[in-house]
Amino acid sequence: GQQVMQIPQYQHVQEGEDFTTYCNSSTTLSNIQWYKQRPGGHPVFLIQLVKSGEVKKQKRLTFQFGEAKKNSSLHITATQTTDVGTYFCAGPPNSGGSNYKLTFGKGTLLTVNP
Amino acid sequence: KAGVTQTPRYLIKTRGQQVTLSCSPISGHRSVSWYQQTPGQGLQFLFEYFSETQRNKGNFPGRFSGRQFSNSRSEMNVSTLELGDSALYLCASSLERGNEKLFFGSGTQLSVL
Repeated sequence: GQQVMQIPQYQHVQEGEDFTTYCNSSTTLSNIQWYKQRPGGHPVFLIQLVKSGEVKKQKRLTFQFGEAKKNSSLHITATQTTDVGTYFCAGPPNSGGSNYKLTFGKGTLLTVNP
Repeated sequence: KAGVTQTPRYLIKTRGQQVTLSCSPISGHRSVSWYQQTPGQGLQFLFEYFSETQRNKGNFPGRFSGRQFSNSRSEMNVSTLELGDSALYLCASSLERGNEKLFFGSGTQLSVL
């Protein structure tokens, strides 16, 4: 079945440093979504990318969708302590028909040293 | 707009018991999905409902079941609890598709002793 892999599993940075997490799917994705889960919290939807090569920005966060629609990345510029949490990528199966579910990567836990 | 509401927030059960978890989606959202989250396995899809019909089911044993009511509220049930069922159970709602822009509830933390 479809697998979504994320690296790194953990990342610790000093406040002000940049951070990047990478997501790779075993199959082509119709879209890629990113979620953030704060410690003790629940996943919160950040963004959805649909087009091949798409780049979207949200303040200090930059999201990219690969040309082959099998990989994606999230880059945070000048991290802040409020960025702490686990970042998940997720995509729907590309098996056609009605597959109303998401396959999540295992996430990247970001910790920030103030 | 109120978010996704899950009850109860915490549950402690013993092996062999059964449990029912409840989820109220965002008003107007007709799709409700359930996920199990554990430190080792991450977020695992359980099932998705739309208009009281289960459209997708994940790879979980038949002890895991769910349903959706006409007002889109959903419940999931786990029977004959096992120690390995200890997890955070998350409900997520979306407008219609169940595979995009999910809004998660705070979850039910289930501990099986």
